[in-house]
Amino acid sequence: QLQLQESGPGLVKSSETLSLSCSVSGGSISRSSHYWVWIRQPPGKGLEWIGNIFYSGTTYYNPTLKSRVTIAVDTSKNQFFLNLTSVTAADTAVYYCARDRLGGDFSFDNWGQGTLVIVSS
Amino acid sequence: QSALTQPPSASGSPGQSVTISCTGTSSDVGDYNYVSWYQQHPGKAPKLMIYEVTKRPSGVPDRFSGSKSGNTASLTVSGLQDEDEADYYCSSYAGSKNLVFGGGTKLTVL
Repeated sequence: QLQLQESGPGLVKSSETLSLSCSVSGGSISRSSHYWVWIRQPPGKGLEWIGNIFYSGTTYYNPTLKSRVTIAVDTSKNQFFLNLTSVTAADTAVYYCARDRLGGDFSFDNWGQGTLVIVSS
Repeated sequence: QSALTQPPSASGSPGQSVTISCTGTSSDVGDYNYVSWYQQHPGKAPKLMIYEVTKRPSGVPDRFSGSKSGNTASLTVSGLQDEDEADYYCSSYAGSKNLVFGGGTKLTVL
């Protein structure tokens, strides 16, 4: 059974870089045709797509975040990563990693439990 | 890019049906059959309920159904049950490898 688990600092200072990891178990990132995804949800608010990555390194980013976001993958560790630079309080959110359902339709059928990241001043 | 528009709340009594709308534009909902719906209980990760407008993943009850007309997609929950009380989010592919979500609808089972 596929499982995804986010990890990283729960507190990041304003203007610094938010860095998170997503560990995938029960399946191989590199032996599938799925994209791997980051999504976030500010407290009490809706979902926001951040970006997708394929095991080859191909990435797609939300245009509103593109200038600050980097998503990377390490197939040897079966992990993928999120870096978000120059963070502000508006970046405080629960960050989820997820798997794109086969078919490339941008629907996400497996999610991590999420990790709360607070940006402090 | 603008978020899709959902009503903030919806409600129904057990056994009844309720429909939640998701309005986009001709550049997202109206142009692609890639609308998804997610259910999210408090403190939990979202769960995929509908993909490609009308399709249900394995394990999702057939009480949940999706449809689309023009720039508006809809999720219908029939035979409401207490456990259906949750937040529901729609999303749509918006072209150029871009995705938009709706603002979410809180479904209350009365």
